[in-house]
Amino acid sequence: DQQVKQNSPSLSVQEGRISILNCDYTNSMFDYFLWYKKYPAEGPTFLISISSIKDKNEDGRFTVFLNKSAKHLSLHIVPSQPGDSAVYFCAVYNTDKLIFGTGTRLQVFP
Amino acid sequence: SAVISQKPSRDICQRGTSLTIQCQVDSQVTMMFWYRQQPGQSLTLIATANQGSEATYESGFVIDKFPISRPNLTFSTLTVSNMSPEDSSIYLCSAWENYGYTFGSGTRLTVV
Repeated sequence: DQQVKQNSPSLSVQEGRISILNCDYTNSMFDYFLWYKKYPAEGPTFLISISSIKDKNEDGRFTVFLNKSAKHLSLHIVPSQPGDSAVYFCAVYNTDKLIFGTGTRLQVFP
Repeated sequence: SAVISQKPSRDICQRGTSLTIQCQVDSQVTMMFWYRQQPGQSLTLIATANQGSEATYESGFVIDKFPISRPNLTFSTLTVSNMSPEDSSIYLCSAWENYGYTFGSGTRLTVV
C-alpha cells in the first residue's frame, strides 16, 4: 500500500510560470515532510522540508504548503526555470526512515 | 553535508550472478540506508545498515538476497545475489546525519 502518493507522473510548465507539484499521504501521524529533486544519473538532493507544526515553508523560489486535514502537501516553484527540469519526490520521515512518493517529472520549457 | 561515492555507476550482469555495490562516505555517519528504484516507481527502502550490527531489512527484502556489510562508519556494501531480470533497478545508498539525508549517485543495474 503506497503511503505517499504523487498522482501526477509528469508536469510541463513554461519558463517563468509557477510549477505546482502535489503529494498526498495516508497516515495522519506523519509529522515531517521533505521534497527532493533528482536529475538523471544522480542521487536525489534535498530541496525543502516542512514540519507538521507549520503550514508553509519558503526558501527562495520554493515554497511547500502543508494541509494536515487533507493530508496533502504541495511544492510551488516560482518562477520556474529550465534548470528546474527534473524528477521531484516528496518524502515522509517516519521512524528514522524516508518513505518516498513515486515522483513527478517536471519539464520547464522556454 | 556528506559526500557519497557510489560504484559502479552502472553494470550489465548475467542472470544467476551477483553484484556488489560499494558506498564510501567522506565523513563518519551513524546510519546508512540502501534503496531500490524500479522503473517508474518510487525509491523503496531495502535495509538500514548500522555499524557493528546486522542490517535491518524492510518487508519483502531478505538478507540472503541482499546481504549488506557495514565494516566502519564510512563504508557499506550491498550485494544483489543470484540476480534475475526482475532485479534490474537503480540502487542507491544514503547516509543520515544531523542535517539530513545525503544520497549516492546510484547504480543502474541491468540483468540479462
